Amino acid sequence: KAGVTQTPRYLIKTRGQQVTLSCSPISGHRSVSWYQQTPGQGLQFLFEYFSETQRNKGNFPGRFSGRQFSNSRSEMNVSTLELGDSALYLCASREGDAPGEFFGPGTRLTVL
Amino acid sequence: DAKTTQPNSMESNEEEPVHLPCNHSTISGTDYIHWYRQLPSQGPEYVIHGLTSNVNNRMASLAIAEDRKSSTLILHRATLRDAAVYYCILNLLRNTDKLIFGTGTRLQVFP
Repeated sequence: KAGVTQTPRYLIKTRGQQVTLSCSPISGHRSVSWYQQTPGQGLQFLFEYFSETQRNKGNFPGRFSGRQFSNSRSEMNVSTLELGDSALYLCASREGDAPGEFFGPGTRLTVL
Repeated sequence: DAKTTQPNSMESNEEEPVHLPCNHSTISGTDYIHWYRQLPSQGPEYVIHGLTSNVNNRMASLAIAEDRKSSTLILHRATLRDAAVYYCILNLLRNTDKLIFGTGTRLQVFP
């Protein structure tokens, strides 16, 4: 099976813009989670989707949103970008309730 | 969410065993202990998980203290490829998932 894929791998935006990141989970995995990784805060949970429904959410402002499609692919959106949003955004998928999340390579977002 | 405490860094020589400790004194009875690692420039990778009994898989072994307040990830023979940041995470293994990553232990492996 192909692993978790994320597009784009690198992105440069300016303050105030918005951005959409995409994640394709491993085939058959219905749970998709998003994480933000920064040098200062480490890895932080953003949200989790299962069967097109958000079922868990981290402590991030409303500028961060996401959705999941019927084919389990997921997108996350960040509006009104701030410099502090510069980070590696990681997507992970899981098969049902099985242990272990499979992470993608991430999208590195730079906000100028 | 229960917290975990790990040393910031550890060193090992190649082909030696490595014992990575994790303290989780506030663990609840339903928390599973998960270990992930993150190799440079990659996303985290699942290593192993356990609840009460020691566990072995092809990557590592997990030794869990009898009171469950601490655990140790054991790499039996470290290789250069094992150099990574290792995260010990407590997680409720049910139909909702939310991993709380700490700062992890950066493992350096020397040839």
